[in-house]
Amino acid sequence: SQQGEEDPQALSIQEGENATMNCSYKTSINNLQWYRQNSGRGLVHLILIRSNEREKHSGRLRVTLDTSKKSSSLLITASRAADTASYFCAKGTQGGSEKLVFGKGMKLTVNP
Amino acid sequence: NAGVTQTPKFRVLKTGQSMTLLCAQDMNHEYMYWYRQDPGMGLRLIHYSVGEGTTAKGEVPDGYNVSRLKKQNFLLGLESAAPSQTSVYFCASSYSKNRGHSNQPQHFGDGTRLSIL
Repeated sequence: SQQGEEDPQALSIQEGENATMNCSYKTSINNLQWYRQNSGRGLVHLILIRSNEREKHSGRLRVTLDTSKKSSSLLITASRAADTASYFCAKGTQGGSEKLVFGKGMKLTVNP
Repeated sequence: NAGVTQTPKFRVLKTGQSMTLLCAQDMNHEYMYWYRQDPGMGLRLIHYSVGEGTTAKGEVPDGYNVSRLKKQNFLLGLESAAPSQTSVYFCASSYSKNRGHSNQPQHFGDGTRLSIL
């Protein structure tokens, strides 16, 4: 079964606005990762947040993690048309299997 | 530095035919993975490998076989293709947990688009 479900499934905003995407999961994690996928391309790793961290920043990206609610959010500030892509959260599982469990993804459209 | 390279990029097969998808990485990663991506389903893990000569089943392994004879290559085989295997296939690689924390970030190729008629 898949864990790491993104919400909303699709989001359309104007350039310059902020975009927030949420991810929920069901069981304990080592870390949670966010990936971006441009149309016709492979996934690109954006940011990783460990289970003992609450917030992380990378450029215009801000990720938060609330382990008590089993949820994470990805905030993209001052969005650009080039941010148009699908975004996936992926759960790093405990137990040493080294597998990631990906959510179904969320389509972000940033209109110029 | 090419990263993860998948060949071929596109392929059309007839039901029952066989083929092999090749994944090559030049980052000296220990771990390699094969996923399939279908509309509305996200990425599902087919098989993975934690080192040369070792492979393991993922979430959807039926109908596929893999081999990891060399550290840099991970092959995915379809012995008798079925229409249900029409999908986009992605290969990924990552460092092992021995180089740091568990569940290292994965690096992806650009996919192989496979249609089975």
